[in-house]
Amino acid sequence: DVKVTQSSRYLVKRTGEKVFLECVQDMDHENMFWYRQDPGLGLRLIYFSYDVKMKEKGDIPEGYSVSREKKERFSLILESASTNQTSMYLCASSLIRTGFVNYGYTFGSGTRLTVV
Amino acid sequence: GNSVTQMEGPVTLSEEAFLTINCTYTATGYPSLFWYVQYPGEGLQLLLKATKADDKGSNKGFEATYRKETTSFHLEKGSVQVSDSAVYFCALSPSGSARQLTFGSGTQLTVLP
Repeated sequence: DVKVTQSSRYLVKRTGEKVFLECVQDMDHENMFWYRQDPGLGLRLIYFSYDVKMKEKGDIPEGYSVSREKKERFSLILESASTNQTSMYLCASSLIRTGFVNYGYTFGSGTRLTVV
Repeated sequence: GNSVTQMEGPVTLSEEAFLTINCTYTATGYPSLFWYVQYPGEGLQLLLKATKADDKGSNKGFEATYRKETTSFHLEKGSVQVSDSAVYFCALSPSGSARQLTFGSGTQLTVLP
């Protein structure tokens, strides 16, 4: 089974800190994604990446950046954490199959970030 | 643009009751459709999928049929268990896109013994 591992389950950071959320997948997937999940708002896409060193903005990229230096690792960076970035962060990966059919994502277990 | 609309929750059922969670979508062409499940404290897991019209996805007693004419992908289970308590998300991937998923807002299901 594909495994997507997020480095921390729970994280508490102070306002203004630079925060790194790490995600690693072990099945050579091309695509990786970062979402945040908030009650009543569902999942919102922050950034995604099609390949090493490639990145694309999602629906809510403000206040975030990403890094993909290796195919298996996709990092989400909060440049200066704020209280409104308190949320559950979910990483996912997917494989491009022939015919460009999307067979779905594999998600990590999530990181619950609290900014105080 | 693409969108997914799910029935509002929370949904509370007794064990062995019949479950339906409605999902409708807006997209051009023939998107792929998915149901994901999120158990408490965990990430999302793929429950089932359908990649073309009239396909039926099924897994763990859950089923959903891709209805192009009604743009729907309703999730059903004949007899729910307490262990099915979770949040369920409907999602779509646009035609020709192998990458992005658009998610519905999720439906919380609680099954009582």
